Amino acid sequence: LAKTTQPISMDSYEGQEVNITCSHNNIATNDYITWYQQFPSQGPRFIIQGYKTKVTNEVASLFIPADRKSSTLSLPRVSLSDTAVYYCLVGDEADKLIFGTGTRLQVFP
Amino acid sequence: NAGVTQTPKFQVLKTGQSMTLQCAQDMNHEYMSWYRQDPGMGLRLIHYSVGAGITDQGEVPNGYNVSRSTTEDFPLRLLSAAPSQTSVYFCASSLRDPMESDEQYFGPGTRLTVT
Repeated sequence: LAKTTQPISMDSYEGQEVNITCSHNNIATNDYITWYQQFPSQGPRFIIQGYKTKVTNEVASLFIPADRKSSTLSLPRVSLSDTAVYYCLVGDEADKLIFGTGTRLQVFP
Repeated sequence: NAGVTQTPKFQVLKTGQSMTLQCAQDMNHEYMSWYRQDPGMGLRLIHYSVGAGITDQGEVPNGYNVSRSTTEDFPLRLLSAAPSQTSVYFCASSLRDPMESDEQYFGPGTRLTVT
């Protein structure tokens, strides 16, 4: 199975940029890397997905290096409502979906 | 659209009891999955289905059964509940394989306690 590693927690202040990195070995060659956000007592919610290089949408950017052994979620100008747990999701070489360990982001005023 | 719905929201079972967690989606999604989330941990895939009549095992399938008789429904059965199955269970669906450029939509979860 693929092993994914994320920082347990991060703190930030409103208006700052936050970068959360997920390390993943043995991911499937052709699969995408996806990031989800989860609030307490809710199911995860899709943020962004990419295969390589850089992807940007209205809420985040995703950076994936050429070796695809890691990915970095970038949240520009965070607000209090971005306080949540963030997970990366990858597929391993056995075609199983593997969630990362999760990073708890706390945004302060 | 109601999206992904799960019932019940909460359930308490005694060791050895059986039950079925229900999951339904009204988005005509082919791909459905069941995950469990233990306190302070990430989600782990239990079983998934790529379409009606097709299911496969995820990372932690032992103690659980699934079937997919319709596109809309994907129930998860606990055959003989054990305290180790105390967890929050999430059902998810996507139009296509979520690893091939598609997002999953998650239900609100079922909180299960086995005593």
